Amino acid sequence: QKEVEQDPGPLSVPEGAIVSLNCTYSNSAFQYFMWYRQYSRKGPELLMYTYSSGNKEDGRFTAQVDKSSKYISLFIRDSQPSDSATYLCAMSSPDYGGSQGNLIFGKGTKLSVKP
Amino acid sequence: DAMVIQNPRYQVTQFGKPVTLSCSQTLNHNVMYWYQQKSSQAPKLLFHYYDKDFNNEADTPDNFQSRRPNTSFCFLDIRSPGLGDAAMYLCATSRDHRVETQYFGPGTRLLVL
Repeated sequence: QKEVEQDPGPLSVPEGAIVSLNCTYSNSAFQYFMWYRQYSRKGPELLMYTYSSGNKEDGRFTAQVDKSSKYISLFIRDSQPSDSATYLCAMSSPDYGGSQGNLIFGKGTKLSVKP
Repeated sequence: DAMVIQNPRYQVTQFGKPVTLSCSQTLNHNVMYWYQQKSSQAPKLLFHYYDKDFNNEADTPDNFQSRRPNTSFCFLDIRSPGLGDAAMYLCATSRDHRVETQYFGPGTRLLVL
């Protein structure tokens, strides 16, 4: 079992739809959870960061972490064509494998929002 | 305004011909990372520097080396590129080991012929 599982999609939705992106993980030591957005041929940019469990909201984006289920989600409300990108989940623990700061990424979900 | 700069953006090299990728940062961050991202795959950490301390991931091939001559610059050297090394190489920086402070550059796409 991979440490972080993420459905690669592609996911295609109409403009205005609510989008739900998800990752599951196996390492219970993970405490830091992030969502990155990566446009085609660009580097990832940090979208949301959550420490431990709970919800975090930023504009149209909501990140949820359920540590008991080892499951994290990113919701995008009122999706826009400009949201079309690959969304990568990433996570880490304070001293993961002796390499602090080592992010473990999911493979990414490719999202397309159609006008 | 660019904070993490990678050069070149695209690099074509021949099988076995050494190649160097460059990363510079204007953030004065202590930590610099190199990730490899193959098509439709997750970025994979190769190594990182905390100041001048080099930290190699256990499964990073010996073919990959890195240099950090000063705070601002970090280089990725691939001594003998193979076809399997074709990928996007991402540089990232962070102020310290806190992962939420990592900023990524735009990447260098490497093609091996």
